[in-house]
Amino acid sequence: QVQLQESAPGLVKPSETLSLTCSVSGGSISRYYWSWIRQAPGKGLEWIGSFYHSEGTKFNPSLRRRVSISVDTARNQLSLKLRSVTAADTAVYYCARENPISVAGIYFDYWGQGARVTVSS
Amino acid sequence: DIQMTQSPSSLSASVGDRVTITCRASQSISTYLNWYQQKPGTAPKLLIYGASTLQSGVPLRFSGSGSGTEFTLTISSLQPEDFATFYCQQSFITPYIFGQGTNLEI
Repeated sequence: QVQLQESAPGLVKPSETLSLTCSVSGGSISRYYWSWIRQAPGKGLEWIGSFYHSEGTKFNPSLRRRVSISVDTARNQLSLKLRSVTAADTAVYYCARENPISVAGIYFDYWGQGARVTVSS
Repeated sequence: DIQMTQSPSSLSASVGDRVTITCRASQSISTYLNWYQQKPGTAPKLLIYGASTLQSGVPLRFSGSGSGTEFTLTISSLQPEDFATFYCQQSFITPYIFGQGTNLEI
């Protein structure tokens, strides 16, 4: 059974860089794309981007300039860095596995429990 | 970006009711449409992928249909544990966009 566990600092100051880690157990991170998705308080879901170790990254254009995503295959971990944060980046951040349907199309079948991040001075 | 619009935004229903939620895409997405259920304080849970394929372990009272730009999620007989927020999500093209959510209340 695949399990994902996010870790995050909880509180980040405006203009700083938010760093999150997602530890994957029960399967190799070298297979599949792995995504970051966030949810602002009381709002819907926003896909941030995803990474596949042999193919690179996909990003939401709205966040592309501030986001980097990487994978540590030795530790089976996915990481997200979001630069120059503002209060608008306050959200619960989820990592999730992308499962391909066919040549095109994916679905998110495994999710972490989420890490709450607040941007405030 | 492809825009996803769900209706209604909120819905009140009773145990045993048949409920339908609609999701419309701003352009054709074939059948690259997924549905998720989210309960307060928890991560979303995949219900249906590819517009109509039930995820393993999801009760048969959930079903999905549609293609192109219009999709529906139907719950045939509401159970107490079904009350939650439901999201559709397109995977035809990045960025993957979710609908704004439908809050299903008792």
